Amino acid sequence: QSVLTQPPSVSGAPGQRVTISCTGSGSTIGAGYDVHWYQHLPGTAPKLVIYGDTNRPSGVPDRISASKSGASASLAISGLQAEDEAFYFCQSYDSSLGVVVFGGGTKLTVL
Amino acid sequence: QVHLQESGPGRVKASETLSLTCAVSGGSIRSYYWYWIRESPGKGLDWIAYFYYGGSANLSPSLNYNPSLKSRVTMSVDASKNHFSLKMTSVTPADTAIYHCARGGWNGRFDTWGQGTLVTVSS
Repeated sequence: QSVLTQPPSVSGAPGQRVTISCTGSGSTIGAGYDVHWYQHLPGTAPKLVIYGDTNRPSGVPDRISASKSGASASLAISGLQAEDEAFYFCQSYDSSLGVVVFGGGTKLTVL
Repeated sequence: QVHLQESGPGRVKASETLSLTCAVSGGSIRSYYWYWIRESPGKGLDWIAYFYYGGSANLSPSLNYNPSLKSRVTMSVDASKNHFSLKMTSVTPADTAIYHCARGGWNGRFDTWGQGTLVTVSS
């Protein structure tokens, strides 16, 4: 069971906007630790798409954005494209465990 | 651009020792934090171990292990070859996973990952 909670799956039609939630606790996201988001296609290297809560690395389209409030964070993808279909997982730090922690991952399906 | 490449046995028998290596190119392992992370079926991602070099005067890396695996895991680092390795003893089918190495910081933010190597533990 992951320390950060994500929905197992979300879906949307091309062009639509979807959001993926990541719920932590007072020792993780709620303590102010950064949330990072990754896109993962099976068999490939995960790709960092959001770092430090809201920042996009170079090359990540501005259709991908993120926010954080309290002990939760969200990833939003607008203008859905077929290429967005992948697993997305969040990651933060847990001060009570003293380690990095991950969400369980969310499968995004583009209908 | 930094590139990470894992190598491993593919299949290991239960109770044996698993050995993995991560070769790093395009950047030095003396900077950043370097992790082993595994992706288990139905269990998601979990970190196994990580290391980092401290200040410039520190010639030995600081090694850190997930408490749940610490008794079975040993990480080694070869800065001259720019690679690091992991040994996991007494493996069971529960250790079946894709094993990734990754570059990050103390709080994660893994900006570079290897594509992973699948390890299957047979009983």
